Amino acid sequence: GQNIDQPTEMTATEGAIVQINCTYQTSGFNGLFWYQQHAGEAPTFLSYNVLDGLEEKGRFSSFLSRSKGYSYLLLKELQMKDSASYLCAVLETDSWGKLQFGAGTQVVVTP
Amino acid sequence: DAGITQSPRHKVTETGTPVTLRCHQTENHRYMYWYRQDPGHGLRLIHYSYGVKDTDKGEVSDGYSVSRSKTEDFLLTLESATSSQTSVYFCAIRDPGHSTGEQYFGPGTRLTVL
Repeated sequence: GQNIDQPTEMTATEGAIVQINCTYQTSGFNGLFWYQQHAGEAPTFLSYNVLDGLEEKGRFSSFLSRSKGYSYLLLKELQMKDSASYLCAVLETDSWGKLQFGAGTQVVVTP
Repeated sequence: DAGITQSPRHKVTETGTPVTLRCHQTENHRYMYWYRQDPGHGLRLIHYSYGVKDTDKGEVSDGYSVSRSKTEDFLLTLESATSSQTSVYFCAIRDPGHSTGEQYFGPGTRLTVL
């Protein structure tokens, strides 16, 4: 199985940077996803890392270190609309594309 | 956006009654998944399907069954609903041929069991 940990809540100011950490202990690993979920809505895909290093996509970047079982999602130039829950999910090694999710990090952006 | 819908979007039912939730996709994706989401637990996999009539159990399958008779439809049934099954249920689809193979989620069904 998997154990995936991420902070419950983070607060940051509009225009600032926030880094959401995710650590995982797994019996298998085939990649890591980050999803964004606004209150009352479905999760939406943000990023995917399978190799070590940083993936940048506009204001959002995601980093992976497989040897450390660690990933982070970096949100830059925070906007009020970035207030949401951010979900870290590990892709299992079987061929069915199953994901194991962390409990999510609620990011609150204040003016 | 991926063409994925769920019905009903909201349902209130009583303990002991059967409930069926429907997930419908227009993307012809092979893989489909049912999750439940509860505070403090994140998304947990109930059942998944890797083709028509091919399904398997996930992490929290007790009390749930599924069926997939057509590529586009994946049904989740609570044979006898209990209050512990009050939750938000999400369906997801996945195209394994896509470069990143991410899952796309439906809008969710909020189920309340009284």
